[in-house]
Amino acid sequence: DVKVTQSSRYLVKRTGEKVFLECVQDMDHENMFWYRQDPGLGLRLIYFSYDVKMKEKGDIPEGYSVSREKKERFSLILESASTNQTSMYLCASSLEGYYGYTFGSGTRLTVV
Amino acid sequence: GQQLNQSPQSMFIQEGEDVSMNCTSSSIFNTWLWYKQDPGEGPVLLIALYKAGELTSNGRLTAQFGITRKDSFLNISASIPSDVGIYFCVTSYGKLTFGQGTILTVHP
Repeated sequence: DVKVTQSSRYLVKRTGEKVFLECVQDMDHENMFWYRQDPGLGLRLIYFSYDVKMKEKGDIPEGYSVSREKKERFSLILESASTNQTSMYLCASSLEGYYGYTFGSGTRLTVV
Repeated sequence: GQQLNQSPQSMFIQEGEDVSMNCTSSSIFNTWLWYKQDPGEGPVLLIALYKAGELTSNGRLTAQFGITRKDSFLNISASIPSDVGIYFCVTSYGKLTFGQGTILTVHP
């Protein structure tokens, strides 16, 4: 089975800190995604990548950036964390052209 | 992004009851998916629908791709406690778009 691993289940950071959320997948998938999940809003796409060193903005990219230096790793970066970025962050990967995403277990980030 | 309207937002039911939820959009889609998120985990694909009018089952779950291609329905029969979680309708227009989710609570 494909495994998507997110490095932390819980994180607490201070306003203004630079925050890195790491995601690693082990099945050679081309596509990787970062979503945030908030109650009543579902999952909203932040950024995605279809290949190494390639990135595309999703629906809510403001305040975030990403890095994909290796195929298996996709990092989400909060350049200067703010309290409105307190949320659950979910990483996912998929094969090219396949709609069945595999999600990680999520990172619950609290910015204080 | 695409807007999906999922209802109800939450449901509290007794074990053994049937459950229905649906999702509508103003846009036409070629694919409807249903995902479930267990507490503390990421969403997992339950059912995929690729054709208008299609009715697909996965155990006690049955989903339908609306004939207008603007909606989809998910039914769960004879609910059990492990059905608790958040159910999402999802469409694909190059990338996945999620509905707001239906939170299901099942009382034993």
